[in-house]
Amino acid sequence: NAGVTQTPKFRILKIGQSMTLQCAQDMNHNYMYWYRQDPGMGLKLIYYSVGAGITDKGEVPNGYNVSRSTTEDFPLRLELAAPSQTSVYFCASGEQGRNNSPLHFGNGTRLTVT
Amino acid sequence: GENVEQHPSTLSVQEGDSAVIKCTYSDSASNYFPWYKQELGKRPQLIIDIRSNVGEKKDQRIAVTLNKTAKHFSLHITETQPEDSAVYFCAACERGYQKVTFGTGTKLQVIP
Repeated sequence: NAGVTQTPKFRILKIGQSMTLQCAQDMNHNYMYWYRQDPGMGLKLIYYSVGAGITDKGEVPNGYNVSRSTTEDFPLRLELAAPSQTSVYFCASGEQGRNNSPLHFGNGTRLTVT
Repeated sequence: GENVEQHPSTLSVQEGDSAVIKCTYSDSASNYFPWYKQELGKRPQLIIDIRSNVGEKKDQRIAVTLNKTAKHFSLHITETQPEDSAVYFCAACERGYQKVTFGTGTKLQVIP
């Protein structure tokens, strides 16, 4: 049981490049989330998904896209990377619903855009 | 939507003293309140949580209290140790709702 796995751990992008941050969970959780954390700051929700085929925007979705074709995978796509997207990205999963449960976080992807 | 405020943003205590972090939330429909600890360069990890039908919960040196009427909840750490130094985040989750709203974090420093 690996929990939430994120790849890559680190990445440097040039302005205008694109990339996909991978996230996979093996706990059969229905809910998955992408957060970004700027240095010394809190967690801001980018996108979330309540199940396969369903995604919705969080508070800072601009410049990002997501898909949820399976329960296990929730990739985050950056198109036309900008310096403002330099951050640490955390993927999380949980069994939300009537009996809310805690979020399980991946180890994060540290992205630098120069 | 839900708004969670967290205070203080930084907190320094002497080893062995207690630390208290407070959060307020805006949506009375929120019913689940987890606390996460994030060590430097690491991922946030759950340390304790409380549901709206409970007023207090304790786990060894850590306790959380919830006042639904006032819409605030607090984290209490007793007999602090240097390994308690980290950033702590509170969060609120609405009944049947998908989003978990986090507070802005409290950087706790325990001075040996």
